[in-house]
Amino acid sequence: KAGVTQTPRYLIKTRGQQVTLSCSPISGHRSVSWYQQTPGQGLQFLFEYFSETQRNKGNFPGRFSGRQFSNSRSEMNVSTLELGDSALYLCASNLGGATQETQYFGPGTRLLVL
Amino acid sequence: GENVEQHPSTLSVQEGDSAVIKCTYSDSASNYFPWYKQELGKGPQLIIDIRSNVGEKKDQRIAVTLNKTAKHFSLHITETQPEDSAVYFCAADPTGNQFYFGTGTSLTVIP
Repeated sequence: KAGVTQTPRYLIKTRGQQVTLSCSPISGHRSVSWYQQTPGQGLQFLFEYFSETQRNKGNFPGRFSGRQFSNSRSEMNVSTLELGDSALYLCASNLGGATQETQYFGPGTRLLVL
Repeated sequence: GENVEQHPSTLSVQEGDSAVIKCTYSDSASNYFPWYKQELGKGPQLIIDIRSNVGEKKDQRIAVTLNKTAKHFSLHITETQPEDSAVYFCAADPTGNQFYFGTGTSLTVIP
């Protein structure tokens, strides 16, 4: 099976712009979670989508949003970019139907905000 | 919310020696504890996990122990090899699909 794929792999944006990142989960996986990774804050949970519905949400401002499509692919959007949004954005997927379930991560999208 | 602490932040060992990384968590509802390895330029890769009904799990050179009473779990890597060099993260999951990660341990195995 192909792993989790994320596009694009690298992005450079300027402050005030918005950005959309895409994630394709492993085939058959219905849950997609997004994480932000920075040197200062580490890996932080953004949100999780399951069957096109946001099921869990982390402690991030409303500028961070996401959605999931019927084929389980997910996008996250960051509006009004700030310098502090520079980070590696990781998506992870799993079947989503049970607790104590492994999450499989993609390679990430590295976003640089200038 | 859950708070996961991880120690040490950096660890250097000689090839062939053992490495131990320790994590503590705060939320007694956490019942799933995965460990991930992240190499430069890559996403985290699961190396081993443990569920709350088990005290220890082993997979070849890697083992994880869990003490639910004390709320701590540890990763043990034996017979370390240079390819074990990477950043290791522990995580705890109290609610299902919302992982709280430790701050990472940068492991260097010296040939």
